[in-house]
Amino acid sequence: EVQLVESGGGLVQPGGSLKLSCAASGFTFSGSAMHWVRQASGKGLEWVGRIRSKANNYATAYAASVKGRFTISRDDSKNTASLQMNSLKTEDTAVYYCIRDSPGGPVANFDYWGQGTLVTVSS
Amino acid sequence: SYELTQPPSVSVSPGQTASITCSGDKLGDKYASWYQQKPGQSPVLVIYEDNKRPSGIPERFSGSNSGNTATLTIRGTQAMDEADYYCQTWDSTTALFGPGTKVTVL
Repeated sequence: EVQLVESGGGLVQPGGSLKLSCAASGFTFSGSAMHWVRQASGKGLEWVGRIRSKANNYATAYAASVKGRFTISRDDSKNTASLQMNSLKTEDTAVYYCIRDSPGGPVANFDYWGQGTLVTVSS
Repeated sequence: SYELTQPPSVSVSPGQTASITCSGDKLGDKYASWYQQKPGQSPVLVIYEDNKRPSGIPERFSGSNSGNTATLTIRGTQAMDEADYYCQTWDSTTALFGPGTKVTVL
């Protein structure tokens, strides 16, 4: 059974940093791209970014709203993906989901989602 | 920048058909996916690559994509289908979601 468990959320002041982790199990993590999507309270879904597998050179891509502030990384030896968030703004307040990219196919699909972790940016 | 639009809400009677549209410039040239999200839960993939259903998704869910519009159709809608539905596509290396449609089963 595929499981994705996020951790690391919490309260942080504007301008601060926070690192989220995603522990994966139940599938071949090293072969899968991983994504982060966020959702502000009562709002829609916003893609944050992704990291591809080693076979794809761990290539990353980010939404314009977080580029230069957020960094996605992975540790295949620990089946873990991470989201380092710097220079946080109040508008970054949201639930952050870790997501597996479905294997194969012509485009990425988000077939398994974690339960999410809440990040609150406030003074 | 590329944008997707969805109606804010759709109402449907139990057993009837609900159609949720998602519009974007030449969306039919891209792949569309659909996600269902119930209150307090994580989203669930219900349609991918325009019209494919993941394992475990009921056959009453179907999708199409042509021209500027992708459509999610729920036939024989049940009370358990009441949820927010988001369309999603890719614009180059960026994933884009529609604003979501709240489906109410009256």
